[in-house]
Amino acid sequence: QKEVEQNSGPLSVPEGAIASLNCTYSDRGSQSFFWYRQYSGKSPELIMFIYSNGDKEDGRFTAQLNKASQYVSLLIRDSQPSDSATYLCAGPTTNTGNQFYFGTGTSLTVIP
Amino acid sequence: EAGVTQSPTHLIKTRGQQATLRCSPISGHTSVYWYQQALGLGLQFLLWYDEGEERNRGNFPPRFSGRQFPNYSSELNVNALELEDSALYLCASSEGAGDTEAFFGQGTRLTVV
Repeated sequence: QKEVEQNSGPLSVPEGAIASLNCTYSDRGSQSFFWYRQYSGKSPELIMFIYSNGDKEDGRFTAQLNKASQYVSLLIRDSQPSDSATYLCAGPTTNTGNQFYFGTGTSLTVIP
Repeated sequence: EAGVTQSPTHLIKTRGQQATLRCSPISGHTSVYWYQQALGLGLQFLLWYDEGEERNRGNFPPRFSGRQFPNYSSELNVNALELEDSALYLCASSEGAGDTEAFFGQGTRLTVV
Protein backbone atom coordinates (compact mmCIF):
# COMPACT_ATOMS: atom_id res chain seq x y z
CA GLN A 1 0.00 0.00 0.00
CA LYS A 2 1.30 3.42 -0.92
CA GLU A 3 1.86 5.93 1.85
CA VAL A 4 -0.30 8.56 0.16
CA GLU A 5 -2.83 7.79 -2.56
CA GLN A 6 -4.86 10.02 -4.80
CA ASN A 7 -7.31 9.52 -7.63
CA SER A 8 -5.29 10.41 -10.68
CA GLY A 9 -8.32 11.81 -12.47
CA PRO A 10 -8.49 13.65 -14.70
CA LEU A 11 -11.18 15.75 -13.10
CA SER A 12 -13.11 18.30 -15.13
CA VAL A 13 -15.45 20.89 -13.67
CA PRO A 14 -17.20 23.89 -15.22
CA GLU A 15 -16.08 27.37 -14.28
CA GLY A 16 -17.71 28.50 -11.04
CA ALA A 17 -18.29 24.97 -9.74
CA ILE A 18 -16.71 23.30 -6.71
CA ALA A 19 -13.78 21.00 -7.41
CA SER A 20 -13.21 18.23 -4.86
CA LEU A 21 -9.85 16.49 -4.65
CA ASN A 22 -9.27 13.56 -2.34
CA CYS A 23 -6.34 11.79 -0.81
CA THR A 24 -5.97 8.82 1.57
CA TYR A 25 -3.00 7.91 3.67
CA SER A 26 -1.83 4.73 5.33
CA ASP A 27 0.10 5.91 8.39
CA ARG A 28 -2.20 6.59 11.34
CA GLY A 29 0.66 8.45 12.99
CA SER A 30 0.77 11.13 10.31
CA GLN A 31 -0.09 14.49 11.80
CA SER A 32 0.09 17.01 8.99
CA PHE A 33 -0.79 17.24 5.34
CA PHE A 34 0.01 19.59 2.55
CA TRP A 35 -1.55 20.39 -0.79
CA TYR A 36 0.59 21.47 -3.72
CA ARG A 37 -0.41 22.79 -7.11
CA GLN A 38 1.71 22.08 -10.17
CA TYR A 39 1.21 23.81 -13.47
CA SER A 40 2.44 22.00 -16.55
CA GLY A 41 6.22 22.27 -16.88
CA LYS A 42 6.60 24.03 -13.53
CA SER A 43 7.60 22.86 -10.08
CA PRO A 44 4.97 22.21 -7.38
CA GLU A 45 4.02 25.10 -5.12
CA LEU A 46 2.53 24.82 -1.66
CA ILE A 47 -1.04 26.13 -1.42
CA MET A 48 -2.45 24.72 1.83
CA PHE A 49 -1.49 22.77 4.90
CA ILE A 50 -3.60 21.25 7.64
CA TYR A 51 -2.65 19.76 10.99
CA SER A 52 -5.93 19.35 12.84
CA ASN A 53 -9.08 17.39 12.24
CA GLY A 54 -11.77 19.38 10.55
CA ASP A 55 -11.71 22.15 7.99
CA LYS A 56 -9.25 24.89 7.22
CA GLU A 57 -10.24 27.67 4.86
CA ASP A 58 -8.04 30.01 2.87
CA GLY A 59 -9.86 32.10 0.32
CA ARG A 60 -11.49 29.81 -2.22
CA PHE A 61 -9.62 26.79 -0.87
CA THR A 62 -10.75 24.53 1.98
CA ALA A 63 -8.66 21.64 3.25
CA GLN A 64 -10.40 18.92 5.22
CA LEU A 65 -8.71 16.33 7.40
CA ASN A 66 -10.37 13.26 8.88
CA LYS A 67 -7.81 11.33 10.92
CA ALA A 68 -10.23 8.59 11.91
CA SER A 69 -10.89 7.75 8.25
CA GLN A 70 -7.38 8.66 7.16
CA TYR A 71 -8.33 10.96 4.35
CA VAL A 72 -7.63 14.52 3.44
CA SER A 73 -9.40 16.56 0.82
CA LEU A 74 -9.15 19.90 -0.94
CA LEU A 75 -12.19 21.83 -2.07
CA ILE A 76 -11.86 24.65 -4.56
CA ARG A 77 -14.91 26.90 -4.65
CA ASP A 78 -15.82 29.09 -7.61
CA SER A 79 -13.31 27.24 -9.76
CA GLN A 80 -11.47 29.33 -12.33
CA PRO A 81 -9.68 28.27 -15.51
CA SER A 82 -6.45 29.38 -13.82
CA ASP A 83 -7.02 26.59 -11.27
CA SER A 84 -6.38 24.04 -14.02
CA ALA A 85 -3.32 22.16 -12.81
CA THR A 86 -2.24 18.97 -11.10
CA TYR A 87 -2.84 18.90 -7.36
CA LEU A 88 -0.63 16.81 -5.11
CA CYS A 89 -1.23 15.91 -1.50
CA ALA A 90 1.74 15.18 0.70
CA GLY A 91 2.77 14.54 4.25
CA PRO A 92 5.48 13.07 6.41
CA THR A 93 4.95 9.51 7.56
CA THR A 94 6.08 8.57 11.01
CA ASN A 95 6.76 4.95 10.12
CA THR A 96 9.46 5.97 7.64
CA GLY A 97 11.39 8.38 9.81
CA ASN A 98 9.12 11.25 8.79
CA GLN A 99 9.97 11.10 5.12
CA PHE A 100 7.84 13.48 3.09
CA TYR A 101 5.60 11.50 0.73
CA PHE A 102 3.69 12.78 -2.27
CA GLY A 103 0.63 11.32 -3.89
CA THR A 104 0.66 10.83 -7.64
CA GLY A 105 -1.47 13.92 -8.17
CA THR A 106 -4.93 14.68 -9.57
CA SER A 107 -5.20 16.57 -12.82
CA LEU A 108 -7.90 19.25 -12.70
CA THR A 109 -9.31 21.05 -15.72
CA VAL A 110 -11.72 23.94 -15.23
CA ILE A 111 -13.80 24.44 -18.35
CA PRO A 112 -14.75 28.04 -19.17
CA GLU B 1 14.94 34.92 1.73
CA ALA B 2 16.26 32.85 -1.15
CA GLY B 3 14.28 29.78 -2.10
CA VAL B 4 15.55 26.42 -3.22
CA THR B 5 17.91 26.87 -6.13
CA GLN B 6 18.86 24.25 -8.67
CA SER B 7 21.51 24.30 -11.33
CA PRO B 8 21.74 24.06 -14.20
CA THR B 9 18.26 24.92 -15.44
CA HIS B 10 18.75 22.87 -18.57
CA LEU B 11 21.23 20.14 -19.35
CA ILE B 12 21.76 18.25 -22.58
CA LYS B 13 23.85 15.10 -22.51
CA THR B 14 24.65 12.24 -24.82
CA ARG B 15 23.66 8.69 -24.00
CA GLY B 16 26.32 7.02 -21.86
CA GLN B 17 27.60 10.27 -20.35
CA GLN B 18 27.29 11.37 -16.75
CA ALA B 19 25.16 14.21 -15.45
CA THR B 20 25.56 16.17 -12.22
CA LEU B 21 22.70 18.22 -10.88
CA ARG B 22 22.97 20.56 -7.92
CA CYS B 23 20.57 21.84 -5.31
CA SER B 24 20.92 24.51 -2.64
CA PRO B 25 18.21 24.29 0.02
CA ILE B 26 16.57 27.16 1.81
CA SER B 27 18.81 28.49 4.57
CA GLY B 28 18.19 26.50 7.74
CA HIS B 29 16.75 23.49 5.92
CA THR B 30 18.57 20.24 6.54
CA SER B 31 16.46 17.82 4.49
CA VAL B 32 16.76 17.54 0.72
CA TYR B 33 14.61 15.41 -1.54
CA TRP B 34 15.19 14.55 -5.18
CA TYR B 35 12.41 13.61 -7.59
CA GLN B 36 12.27 12.64 -11.23
CA GLN B 37 9.30 13.74 -13.28
CA ALA B 38 9.09 12.45 -16.81
CA LEU B 39 6.87 14.34 -19.23
CA GLY B 40 3.21 13.99 -18.29
CA LEU B 41 3.92 11.74 -15.32
CA GLY B 42 3.89 12.16 -11.55
CA LEU B 43 6.75 12.72 -9.15
CA GLN B 44 8.98 9.69 -8.74
CA PHE B 45 10.94 9.72 -5.49
CA LEU B 46 14.68 9.32 -5.99
CA LEU B 47 16.58 10.17 -2.82
CA TRP B 48 16.17 11.72 0.60
CA TYR B 49 19.03 13.28 2.53
CA ASP B 50 18.83 14.62 6.04
CA GLU B 51 21.67 16.00 8.16
CA GLY B 52 24.23 14.80 5.64
CA GLU B 53 23.04 11.21 5.46
CA GLU B 54 21.06 9.29 2.90
CA ARG B 55 17.85 8.31 4.66
CA ASN B 56 16.02 6.58 1.85
CA ARG B 57 16.15 5.99 -1.86
CA GLY B 58 13.44 5.18 -4.36
CA ASN B 59 13.24 2.34 -6.82
CA PHE B 60 15.96 3.53 -9.17
CA PRO B 61 19.11 1.74 -10.35
CA PRO B 62 22.44 2.37 -8.60
CA ARG B 63 23.62 4.63 -11.42
CA PHE B 64 21.46 7.27 -9.73
CA SER B 65 23.38 8.47 -6.72
CA GLY B 66 23.95 11.59 -4.74
CA ARG B 67 25.26 13.17 -1.63
CA GLN B 68 24.63 15.97 0.79
CA PHE B 69 27.38 18.31 1.79
CA PRO B 70 28.07 19.79 5.25
CA ASN B 71 26.30 23.00 4.20
CA TYR B 72 23.24 20.84 3.34
CA SER B 73 23.47 21.47 -0.37
CA SER B 74 23.12 18.36 -2.46
CA GLU B 75 24.24 16.81 -5.69
CA LEU B 76 22.52 14.21 -7.84
CA ASN B 77 24.67 12.16 -10.18
CA VAL B 78 23.34 10.05 -12.98
CA ASN B 79 25.88 7.75 -14.64
CA ALA B 80 25.66 5.94 -17.96
CA LEU B 81 22.78 8.10 -19.12
CA GLU B 82 19.95 6.48 -21.01
CA LEU B 83 17.39 8.14 -23.25
CA GLU B 84 14.64 7.44 -20.72
CA ASP B 85 16.48 9.49 -18.10
CA SER B 86 15.25 12.58 -19.91
CA ALA B 87 13.00 14.31 -17.40
CA LEU B 88 12.56 17.24 -15.07
CA TYR B 89 14.55 16.66 -11.91
CA LEU B 90 13.16 18.44 -8.90
CA CYS B 91 14.80 19.14 -5.60
CA ALA B 92 12.85 20.04 -2.48
CA SER B 93 14.01 21.05 0.96
CA SER B 94 12.42 21.11 4.39
CA GLU B 95 13.49 22.09 7.86
CA GLY B 96 14.12 18.50 8.73
CA ALA B 97 12.38 15.20 9.15
CA GLY B 98 9.06 16.08 10.72
CA ASP B 99 5.80 17.87 10.25
CA THR B 100 7.11 20.70 8.12
CA GLU B 101 6.37 21.54 4.53
CA ALA B 102 8.78 21.04 1.67
CA PHE B 103 9.61 23.72 -0.88
CA PHE B 104 10.68 23.02 -4.42
CA GLY B 105 13.32 24.44 -6.66
CA GLN B 106 12.54 25.30 -10.26
CA GLY B 107 13.99 22.03 -11.48
CA THR B 108 16.65 20.91 -13.93
CA ARG B 109 15.46 19.77 -17.33
CA LEU B 110 17.74 16.94 -18.41
CA THR B 111 17.65 15.88 -22.03
CA VAL B 112 19.57 12.80 -23.14
CA VAL B 113 20.16 12.51 -26.87
